Amino acid sequence: SQKIEQNSEALNIQEGKTATLTCNYTNYSPAYLQWYRQDPGRGPVFLLLIRENEKEKRKERLKVTFDTTLKQSLFHITASQPADSATYLCATLMRFGAGTRLTVKP
Amino acid sequence: DTAVSQTPKYLVTQMGNDKSIKCEQNLGHDTMYWYKQDSKKFLKIMFSYNNKELIINETVPNRFSPKSPDKAHLNLHINSLELGDSAVYFCASSQGRQGGETQYFGPGTRLLVL
Repeated sequence: SQKIEQNSEALNIQEGKTATLTCNYTNYSPAYLQWYRQDPGRGPVFLLLIRENEKEKRKERLKVTFDTTLKQSLFHITASQPADSATYLCATLMRFGAGTRLTVKP
Repeated sequence: DTAVSQTPKYLVTQMGNDKSIKCEQNLGHDTMYWYKQDSKKFLKIMFSYNNKELIINETVPNRFSPKSPDKAHLNLHINSLELGDSAVYFCASSQGRQGGETQYFGPGTRLLVL
């Protein structure tokens, strides 16, 4: 069956470091991947979309890569701040990963 | 202005009751969705409507019945509520049909079945 997986349930990093979150997919070839941010008690908020013909996409301190050979997308937050603490979800075709809860410590 | 709104925000009810959750979007989008997020925070698609037409119906008990009176509204009615229905229900909308466009989520409805 088609699966989209985020292997790390939680990630703790120090302020100023780069956070890297991983999303893997199996048994299908999505044309795009999306990344969302979800804060406690709120709905997910769209951050970035990367298409299969794009290797990398950037938005301010955020960077997403898409490797169709590895069937993987990496989501990077550079110069992380405590305000970046949230759960980050990858998604495609209305299927969401379980999310990675990022905590950035001051 | 709220883009996607849901009512109620909280819903506590007894097992066996029937309840409805309402969703409205003012973005002019063609497609609306219902998702269920369980206690493990896993977000799962339930239904998708495009221009009032049901286009996706995942494996959901038929106690759940979505209704779209117009393109801007998608309501969810749940009959004979069970303990396992306790979850957060999110409504979302997008311009495209497959979720390939950005999805805008509502604030969620927290349902607790006792």
